[in-house]
Amino acid sequence: AQSVTQLDSQVPVFEEAPVELRCNYSSSVSVYLFWYVQYPNQGLQLLLKYLSGSTLVESINGFEAEFNKSQTSFHLRKPSVHISDTAEYFCAVSDRYNTDKLIFGTGTRLQVFP
Amino acid sequence: DVKVTQSSRYLVKRTGEKVFLECVQDMDHENMFWYRQDPGLGLRLIYFSYDVKMKEKGDIPEGYSVSREKKERFSLILESASTNQTSMYLCASSFPPGQARNEQFFGPGTRLTVL
Repeated sequence: AQSVTQLDSQVPVFEEAPVELRCNYSSSVSVYLFWYVQYPNQGLQLLLKYLSGSTLVESINGFEAEFNKSQTSFHLRKPSVHISDTAEYFCAVSDRYNTDKLIFGTGTRLQVFP
Repeated sequence: DVKVTQSSRYLVKRTGEKVFLECVQDMDHENMFWYRQDPGLGLRLIYFSYDVKMKEKGDIPEGYSVSREKKERFSLILESASTNQTSMYLCASSFPPGQARNEQFFGPGTRLTVL
């Protein structure tokens, strides 16, 4: 069965510092990969996704993630974070051949300090 | 824009009560999902529906049932609420398979407290 590991439950960082949120998945089949963000007291919003093509995908607010098939990873990065990036971030995976369901990681809480 | 709405943001119920959580989506999505979110556990799938009157158990269906009488509405039912069902409940919807999108659209969540 698919699983997603987010090793860091919390990541504290100062404003304007770079950040990396780690995500590893366990699968021997082709996958689709997603990062969702949850701001306080809100539902989840899609941040970015990898379906095919370029292994580097970007969001509109400066985040990027790179699909690394050999390391089964999809780490999320931002070169300079803002206070407004404080949120919980979830990595998710679906099997290309069973695409109805997403398997979510346990989440990483990013706390940006001034 | 896709909109997924949930009937309540906050709900407080007593042990043993029957609880209904409602979810409505306006994008004609075939797929609808109910998750619960708990600290340190992420999102866990309770039930999934791929069409009207069709449902499939997720990872943690015990103590829950669902109803999908209309395409746009998916209800989660707690037949007899218990304190261990205190949680955040999230509804989501998505396009059917084959459209190569997979993105799930989420509602704002219902924070349920069972006393």
